[in-house]
Amino acid sequence: ETGVTQTPRHLVMGMTNKKSLKCEQHLGHNAMYWYKQSAKKPLELMFVYSLEERVENNSVPSRFSPECPNSSHLFLHLHTLQPEDSALYLCASSQDSTGWGTEAFFGQGTRLTVV
Amino acid sequence: KQEVTQIPAALSVPEGENLVLNCSFTDSAIYNLQWFRQDPGKGLTSLLLIQSSQREQTSGRLNASLDKSSGRSTLYIAASQPGDSATYLCAVRTGANSKLTFGKGITLSVRP
Repeated sequence: ETGVTQTPRHLVMGMTNKKSLKCEQHLGHNAMYWYKQSAKKPLELMFVYSLEERVENNSVPSRFSPECPNSSHLFLHLHTLQPEDSALYLCASSQDSTGWGTEAFFGQGTRLTVV
Repeated sequence: KQEVTQIPAALSVPEGENLVLNCSFTDSAIYNLQWFRQDPGKGLTSLLLIQSSQREQTSGRLNASLDKSSGRSTLYIAASQPGDSATYLCAVRTGANSKLTFGKGITLSVRP
């Protein structure tokens, strides 16, 4: 248990559905991240939030919409996804989003399958 | 643009062997480097974090070294056990917003 909890663990959705992924951390961290892990590819950073403000958006399609209502919670809202969006979506947190000395802690991930 | 490489992609060893997993990165201007373990279908577990000013970190049977100038890190696993079987990922932190750039990982199998 790393202190970062993701729900649901598994999700199957149709291309016309709308769903949300949830991430929660009680580590007192100020920065939270969404990563995508596809087969045979390195983890790809999607979004970074620092003190509830989005500080990085890595050219992610608009069908992925993040929300950070407070420093403990992060959501990823999904709509009209494509089959190629099927992947493991990982949430992470760290003390802050600046470079020095920060260790990232990851959740268990949500395995998303788009049919 | 930072790139992280981990070779080989997979490794199989008999139980008890000492082994070294390699990681290389192209931009030596890093803040820190982190080694993770990932079991199939699971999230990432942080193993070791090395700051850019450090040369190595140790935790139990694990030892990670960092040579920034040559863009390399190694993860040394002593007396490997079947429970060590997993994918080991290396990630470097660069950039103002602390972006972690990951390698593809090395899938380790320790045979009993």
